Amino acid sequence: DAGVIQSPRHEVTEMGQEVTLRCKPISGHNSLFWYRQTMMRGLELLIYFNNNVPIDDSGMPEDRFSAKMPNASFSTLKIQPSEPRDSAVYFCASSLNGQSNQPQHFGDGTRLSIL
Amino acid sequence: QKEVEQNSGPLSVPEGAIASLNCTYSDRGSQSFFWYRQYSGKSPELIMSIYSNGDKEDGRFTAQLNKASQYVSLLIRDSQPSDSATYLCAVNDGDKLIFGTGTRLQVFP
Repeated sequence: DAGVIQSPRHEVTEMGQEVTLRCKPISGHNSLFWYRQTMMRGLELLIYFNNNVPIDDSGMPEDRFSAKMPNASFSTLKIQPSEPRDSAVYFCASSLNGQSNQPQHFGDGTRLSIL
Repeated sequence: QKEVEQNSGPLSVPEGAIASLNCTYSDRGSQSFFWYRQYSGKSPELIMSIYSNGDKEDGRFTAQLNKASQYVSLLIRDSQPSDSATYLCAVNDGDKLIFGTGTRLQVFP
């Protein structure tokens, strides 16, 4: 079975540019999570969706970040304009439903470098 | 601010020994606890989940939970060099997970 699929795997761009990260959750999973991982701050939850609806975006650092989930099989995380401090690894994860006992399964991540 | 605390390590153990990884959490209402393994440059991979007090064993891995002490641990028996990775403890906060910063384990031959 396919796991969580993220694209691109690597992204290098100049500050000020728009960046779009993409995620396809595991088929049948109703919850989707976007995380950012850095050495300094570890793994931070940015936003999560249940049944395509954003539930909690309190982790989104500022208005430059936005996320959408137009259908059950696709989500995007957009940064506009990007800044060097946005450089990190961005993970998408999905779980079967929004219940706390359901484990989350991670994609391979997008390594983002903003020059 | 709900917190999950782990010693960053590195924890160095010889091959064949038992590695003991520890995690404490601040929210007494947490009900679900997970251990993830993350190899360098890779994504977190779920290795254990535990929901009730006591021990849960899966192969060489044993998770231990003590809700009264707000403490969860992971034991790895017969440690192998391939176990060298960062181990992340995750605790639920409602429908979300709060992750610790991880403990780096090094198993040397």
